[in-house]
Amino acid sequence: AQTVTQSQPEMSVQEAETVTLSCTYDTSESDYYLFWYKQPPSRQMILVIRQEAYKQQNATENRFSVNFQKAAKSFSLKISDSQLGDAAMYFCAYRSPDYTGANSKLTFGKGITLSVRP
Amino acid sequence: EAGVAQSPRYKIIEKRQSVAFWCNPISGHATLYWYQQILGQGPKLLIQFQNNGVVDDSQLPKDRFSAERLKGVDSTLKIQPAKLEDSAVYLCASSVITWGTDTQYFGPGTRLTVL
Repeated sequence: AQTVTQSQPEMSVQEAETVTLSCTYDTSESDYYLFWYKQPPSRQMILVIRQEAYKQQNATENRFSVNFQKAAKSFSLKISDSQLGDAAMYFCAYRSPDYTGANSKLTFGKGITLSVRP
Repeated sequence: EAGVAQSPRYKIIEKRQSVAFWCNPISGHATLYWYQQILGQGPKLLIQFQNNGVVDDSQLPKDRFSAERLKGVDSTLKIQPAKLEDSAVYLCASSVITWGTDTQYFGPGTRLTVL
């Protein structure tokens, strides 16, 4: 079974600075998908960024980018120019490539609470 | 495009009572998921539907939890009888396959407190 580990329960960043959130995972599959989800205090989970394991290029979405190290099974999220609205819980998640069946569920880490200091 | 709708947003019950949650997925999304998120943890899948059929319910406590998606659209999750450890946020998500992959969209969740 796949596992996702987020070892940092909390992090804090100054507004306009850069912060990196860590995530490691364990799997025996060679192909899979990795995700970062954001959950603000209102609790609506929002997809931040997605990475396909077969792609060597790291995904980027505006101020959000990932550092995907497949051999190390590491998937960190970098938030540049942090804004007050970035304050939320961030979850790292894993999904098998079989999105048509029972393996399409997401396996989440425990999450990390990010606070942004004005 | 309307998002995933869930109701109620909050529910407080006493242990041994029953409770039901409702979810209406995004229009056209064939796959629907129910996750349980206990405070301080990541969401955990309870049950997954593909249209109106169950794909995965391996982590659903079937002695007390049940779910249905009769017409392949909206879904209901029921707990009967509730236990203290059922206190959690229940998240519904839906997805559709587009260009060979899919993205799960989540509803706002129902926060259940069992006293």
